Amino acid sequence: AQKVTQAQTEISVVEKEDVTLDCVYETRDTTYYLFWYKQPPSGELVFLIRRNSFDEQNEISGRYSWNFQKSTSSFNFTITASQVVDSAVYFCALRRGAQKLVFGQGTRLTINP
Amino acid sequence: SQTIHQWPATLVQPVGSPLSLECTVEGTSNPNLYWYRQAAGRGLQLLFYSVGIGQISSEVPQNLSASRPQDRQFILSSKKLLLSDSGFYLCAGLLPTGNEKLFFGSGTQLSVL
Repeated sequence: AQKVTQAQTEISVVEKEDVTLDCVYETRDTTYYLFWYKQPPSGELVFLIRRNSFDEQNEISGRYSWNFQKSTSSFNFTITASQVVDSAVYFCALRRGAQKLVFGQGTRLTINP
Repeated sequence: SQTIHQWPATLVQPVGSPLSLECTVEGTSNPNLYWYRQAAGRGLQLLFYSVGIGQISSEVPQNLSASRPQDRQFILSSKKLLLSDSGFYLCAGLLPTGNEKLFFGSGTQLSVL
């Protein structure tokens, strides 16, 4: 069975602090894809990153970075120098092949000025 | 580019009334399609997914059903709504290659009173 766990329900930090959102997944498949999505107050889901199970290179995109570790089944997301506009709910998700995409429960991130 | 049209944006329905939410896809053929529900303050729950016309997989037993009468049309229905059906419903699609990001509709906020 596939499962994604985001243990942090809510995180609140002050602007300019770094913050890491945790994601732990479970799957028996050797080929799978991991995703992060951002859901701003408007409700739509915004794609942030996709990582396949054979690519463990960490990725950096501006203030965003992702740490994928198969040994611990984790795919954590770090925002450096956070900004108020980063406030949103963030979802980690897991997909096997072309089938269903399973989301974690989400982490509500609040950046206070 | 691929687009999902989802309507209505908001819907208020009395308990016991029927429901029909429609989702249509533009810009691609033979996508995988998904219905998700997000209850207030909670994560995304996969309800149904479809890999083709007439093919529906249900993830959770409940008061809802889904149908895919055409390749680019995905419908979520209920014969009698319950209070617990309230939530934010998102339709999503995935390109048939299976490697692309999930693209989402703008969602429907359903309130059952």
